[in-house]
Amino acid sequence: QSVLTQPPSASGTPGQRVTIPCSGSSSNIGRKTVQWYQQLPGTAPKLLIYNNDQRPSGVPDRISGSKSGTSASLAISGLQSEDEADYYCVGWDDSLNAVVFGGGTKLTVL
Amino acid sequence: EVQLVESGGGLVQPGGSLRLSCAASGFTFSDFWMTWVRQTPGRGLEWVATIKPDGSEKYYVDPLKGRFTISRDNAKKSLYLQMNSLSVEDTALYYCVRAILSVTSYWGPGTLVTVSS
Repeated sequence: QSVLTQPPSASGTPGQRVTIPCSGSSSNIGRKTVQWYQQLPGTAPKLLIYNNDQRPSGVPDRISGSKSGTSASLAISGLQSEDEADYYCVGWDDSLNAVVFGGGTKLTVL
Repeated sequence: EVQLVESGGGLVQPGGSLRLSCAASGFTFSDFWMTWVRQTPGRGLEWVATIKPDGSEKYYVDPLKGRFTISRDNAKKSLYLQMNSLSVEDTALYYCVRAILSVTSYWGPGTLVTVSS
């Protein structure tokens, strides 16, 4: 079981808005920033969001991140078939002195 | 262009050892924290170890402490992972990652380690 908790799957139709939650605790999300990665099939993960809600250059603004308390979420609006991928939240845990991952959420575009 | 290229993966018997390498190019290697992450279909992404830019601090996931050792050679722009007493549970795709918790994060394509008799 992962330190950060994500639902194993999510889905939406083209054009819809989908939100992927990531739940943690006071030792990780509660006091540290969260990053989100997208992993397309057969490829290495790619950074989507850093510092909770910041997008690296090249990531479209229909993708956003937020954090409140010990939870974070990734939102994708205007869903497209190319968004079908696995999504992971990542952070640092002060109690474990470790990088901690969510278990990943497989997003399906119906 | 930033590049990270892992090597050293392969088939090894249970109880054996393997040393992974990661060759970096296209950036100032000695400026960055570096990390090993592994991935299996059943367990998703797992953090393995992280090393400070000058190599003075190293962090490991608890279950692997004592079996795995992360190191780096800044002159050779290379990151290493020495893995000992390997078991089937160590079978995974191992990624070399630059600055995993930063906007400058970058991942290599990975090298596959298979532990099997």
